[in-house]
Amino acid sequence: AQSVAQPEDQVNVAEGNPLTVKCTYSVSGNPYLFWYVQYPNRGLQFLLKYITGDNLVKGSYGFEAEFNKSQTSFHLKKPSALVSDSALYFCAVRDMSGYSTLTFGKGTMLLVSP
Amino acid sequence: EPEVTQTPSHQVTQMGQEVILRCVPISNHLYFYWYRQILGQKVEFLVSFYNNEISEKSEIFDDQFSVERPDGSNFTLKIRSTKLEDSAMYFCASSPPGGGGSGEQFFGPGTRLTVL
Repeated sequence: AQSVAQPEDQVNVAEGNPLTVKCTYSVSGNPYLFWYVQYPNRGLQFLLKYITGDNLVKGSYGFEAEFNKSQTSFHLKKPSALVSDSALYFCAVRDMSGYSTLTFGKGTMLLVSP
Repeated sequence: EPEVTQTPSHQVTQMGQEVILRCVPISNHLYFYWYRQILGQKVEFLVSFYNNEISEKSEIFDDQFSVERPDGSNFTLKIRSTKLEDSAMYFCASSPPGGGGSGEQFFGPGTRLTVL
């Protein structure tokens, strides 16, 4: 069975500082990895995905994530946080060989202070 | 930009009643999903649908649940006899052709179901 762990319930960062939201995963085969963001009263918005190739993936709104196979991690990063980045972030995984079901982490609330 | 839409945004029902949650996926998408998120918990997969049939379902998706694509645009989730524990936000999602694999899923804004 596939699973995702987001060890932090909340991440606090000052505007302009770099941010990292952590994610580790477990799948039986090779993973497809995704990050989604959820703003209040909104659905999940796709940020970026790792399928294959370059371990550093760039996505929407200046976010990027680094796939690390040996550590089974896919941490979300941004060089300079904005107050508008404050939201709930979900990491998700699916097994490349399986169906299209996404398994989500429990989410990490990112709070960026002015 | 095309979006997945869901109606209603909020549904309140009595325990034991049937509810139908409606979704309009993005028009050229072929893969459809329902997820739910109980308040304060993670998003959980319910069911995926492709080529007019269920392709995968979770253990949550028991006989009380059913999905249907009654026409070329709508995708519905029916709960036959709601229980208190069905109270959650229900998200519909869709993926484009080829998106059953590596493609991202596009999510709707959700329907908040409250069972009293």
